[in-house]
Amino acid sequence: KAGVTQTPRYLIKTRGQQVTLSCSPISGHRSVSWYQQTPGQGLQFLFEYFSETQRNKGNFPGRFSGRQFSNSRSEMNVSTLELGDSALYLCASKRASGGAEQYFGPGTRLTVT
Amino acid sequence: GQQLNQSPQSMFIQEGEDVSMNCTSSSIFNTWLWYKQEPGEGPVLLIALYKAGELTSNGRLTAQFGITRKDSFLNISASIPSDVGIYFCAGEDSNYQLIWGAGTKLIIKP
Repeated sequence: KAGVTQTPRYLIKTRGQQVTLSCSPISGHRSVSWYQQTPGQGLQFLFEYFSETQRNKGNFPGRFSGRQFSNSRSEMNVSTLELGDSALYLCASKRASGGAEQYFGPGTRLTVT
Repeated sequence: GQQLNQSPQSMFIQEGEDVSMNCTSSSIFNTWLWYKQEPGEGPVLLIALYKAGELTSNGRLTAQFGITRKDSFLNISASIPSDVGIYFCAGEDSNYQLIWGAGTKLIIKP
């Protein structure tokens, strides 16, 4: 089975721009979660999508949004980028039938200049 | 909100030494997960624990789900250079939310 894939792997944007990141979960996984990781900050939960619905949301401003498509692929969008948004954005997928195990993609490294 | 205290924050060890790290919480968890992350990559699941008191091994790694359901530890025996990385614990609460520790950075002394 192919793992979780994320595109692009690296991205450089300018302050004020917006960005869209993409995540394809493991085949058969219907839950997709997004995390932001900055040096020394661990994993900060952004949101989780299941069957095209946002199921949980972390404590991030409304500039961060996401969606999930019928094939379980997910996108997250950050509008009006700030320098502090520079981070590794990780996507993780999980089976629908229970179990806590999440499987992560390699991440998208976003740099805001 | 809920917090997981993971310690130590970092460890400098000699190759061949055993390593121990743990996570504690004031809340009860239903599942404990341990992940390892290497630079530039996403975390990789090492061990999943489902029952209080459960002890599970994966090669040189051993993890336990604390009997109170509020803690877990991970041991690595006979460390080797490829063990370097950041180890994260995560606990699943009653709302099926994963709560993450801040990570333990493992560094092997040359």
